[in-house]
Amino acid sequence: KAGVTQTPRYLIKTRGQQVTLSCSPISGHRSVSWYQQTPGQGLQFLFEYFSETQRNKGNFPGRFSGRQFSNSRSEMNVSTLELGDSALYLCASSSDGTHSGNTIYFGEGSWLTVV
Amino acid sequence: GNSVTQMEGPVTLSEEAFLTINCTYTATGYPSLFWYVQYPGEGLQLLLKATKADDKGSNKGFEATYRKETTSFHLEKGSVQVSDSAVYFCALSFYGGATNKLIFGTGTLLAVQP
Repeated sequence: KAGVTQTPRYLIKTRGQQVTLSCSPISGHRSVSWYQQTPGQGLQFLFEYFSETQRNKGNFPGRFSGRQFSNSRSEMNVSTLELGDSALYLCASSSDGTHSGNTIYFGEGSWLTVV
Repeated sequence: GNSVTQMEGPVTLSEEAFLTINCTYTATGYPSLFWYVQYPGEGLQLLLKATKADDKGSNKGFEATYRKETTSFHLEKGSVQVSDSAVYFCALSFYGGATNKLIFGTGTLLAVQP
């Protein structure tokens, strides 16, 4: 079956602009999480959505937001972009819950460069 | 708080050498432990996992054993190949909670030379 799909793969934005990234989870998966990866901070959890509800949030400013649609597809938005937002943004999906048989699958990521 | 500590890289090995990448964790409760691998320009792939103490995860010749007494989950492979060159991340999560959040270590770059 198809994996986690993220679009766009690469994008360049200017400081002060906003950006929207999209993620299509594996079919049947209802949990979608977002992570930011930078050389300095490593992999950091942004937020998780499950059945259209945000159920966990990392320590990021309010400029970072997300949502999940009824088909489990998710988007994240970053407003008023700063140079430090340049990063690889990774989306991850998993099935219904948080039981031990669950596996979390990652997409290939969206590379955001802010200039 | 919950955290994961990995050995600093890069780790440079010759082909067929033995690999160990150290990972220790701090956690309140009993986490599940994972190793993910990231090849250049790609996302993360789950390499192996262990969900309780003394479990051994294994995949593609890689192994790691969940050691509760030493809070460790070291990754090992008996004979590395050039194709194993990648960044390896140790991570933890809490099954049975209300989230699928993963907490990652800083990653260890492995470079295997022919």
